[in-house]
Amino acid sequence: QKEVEQNSGPLSVPEGAIASLNCTYSDRGSQSFFWYRQYSGKSPELIMSIYSNGDKEDGRFTAQLNKASQYVSLLIRDSQPSDSATYLCAIKGGATNKLIFGTGTLLAVQP
Amino acid sequence: SQTIHQWPATLVQPVGSPLSLECTVEGTSNPNLYWYRQAAGRGLQLLFYSVGIGQISSEVPQNLSASRPQDRQFILSSKKLLLSDSGFYLCAWSTTGQPQHFGDGTRLSIL
Repeated sequence: QKEVEQNSGPLSVPEGAIASLNCTYSDRGSQSFFWYRQYSGKSPELIMSIYSNGDKEDGRFTAQLNKASQYVSLLIRDSQPSDSATYLCAIKGGATNKLIFGTGTLLAVQP
Repeated sequence: SQTIHQWPATLVQPVGSPLSLECTVEGTSNPNLYWYRQAAGRGLQLLFYSVGIGQISSEVPQNLSASRPQDRQFILSSKKLLLSDSGFYLCAWSTTGQPQHFGDGTRLSIL
């Protein structure tokens, strides 16, 4: 079992819809959870951090964390074509500064 | 504010040639520094990380080495490049407990 799993996609949604991206992880000791956005040919950019169970909202983005079920998700409301990118889920364990990345989900927002 | 500089942006090297990629961080002291490689269509692979000057941890046995001669400088090197060293090399920094932030990356092609 991979440490961090994401569906590679592509996930195709129409403009204005809600995009839902999911990530599961294996280490129950994980403490911090991050979502990065990576445009083609560019470096990853941090868009959300979440550290406790529940929802965290920032503009059109909402991160959801459920430690008991070991999943973290990212919702993008009112999706725009400019949201088309690969979204990387990253997990940090409790006793390390290292991040474990998923392989990413490619999101395509259709105009 | 903190910034991270990585150069060069692109590099084409022949097989067997040496390599030196440099990364510097501004605006913070004693950062944790990381080198990643992302092969085409693949996830991020952590190569090296450093928590201080002269302290290097290697994650994957390979043809590469890293050094940290100064607090905010991280260098990735190779004595003889292989075809399999091609990829997108990313430097990142963080402070303890905080998310990682990436430089713009170096796209390395080996001929």
